[in-house]
Amino acid sequence: AQTVTQSQPEMSVQEAETVTLSCTYDTSESNYYLFWYKQPPSRQMILVIRQEAYKQQNATENRFSVNFQKAAKSFSLKISDSQLGDTAMYFCAFMKPRGSQGNLIFGKGTKLSVKP
Amino acid sequence: NAGVTQTPKFQVLKTGQSMTLQCAQDMNHEYMSWYRQDPGMGLRLIHYSVGAGITDQGEVPNGYNVSRSTTEDFPLRLLSAAPSQTSVYFCASSRGGVGTEAFFGQGTRLTVV
Repeated sequence: AQTVTQSQPEMSVQEAETVTLSCTYDTSESNYYLFWYKQPPSRQMILVIRQEAYKQQNATENRFSVNFQKAAKSFSLKISDSQLGDTAMYFCAFMKPRGSQGNLIFGKGTKLSVKP
Repeated sequence: NAGVTQTPKFQVLKTGQSMTLQCAQDMNHEYMSWYRQDPGMGLRLIHYSVGAGITDQGEVPNGYNVSRSTTEDFPLRLLSAAPSQTSVYFCASSRGGVGTEAFFGQGTRLTVV
């Protein structure tokens, strides 16, 4: 069975600085997808970034980028130039490409606070 | 563009009562699912559906029923509410296929007393 581990329950960062959120996972699959979702206080789940395991290039979306280390089964999220609006829970999630019907396996989340 | 709509947003139930959480999507997505979010636990899959008339169990299905009579709607039924079902419930949909994005509703906060 796949598992996703986020070892940092809470983190804080000063506005405009860079922060990295950690995620490790366990799977015997060779291809899969990894996601980071953001959940602000409004409770809405918002996709931040997505990575396919077969793609060696790390995904980037504006200020958000990932460090994907397939051999180490690590998928960290880097937020550059942190903004107050980045304050949220961040969830790492895993999806098998087949046989899972798109079901996501989530980590327990990291609560990020951006301080002015 | 409404996306995924969940009703109600908040609900308080007494132990033993039944209720249905509603979920509707207007994106013509085949795949829909229900998750529950508990403090310190992340989101866990309750039930899912890959199309009208097809449903299956997820990780934590006990105490919940689902049906999918149309592509748009995927209600979640609590037959006899228990305090252990106090949680935030999320409905999600996606067009299916490999690695597609899941779109989530805004959640229902349910308290069972």
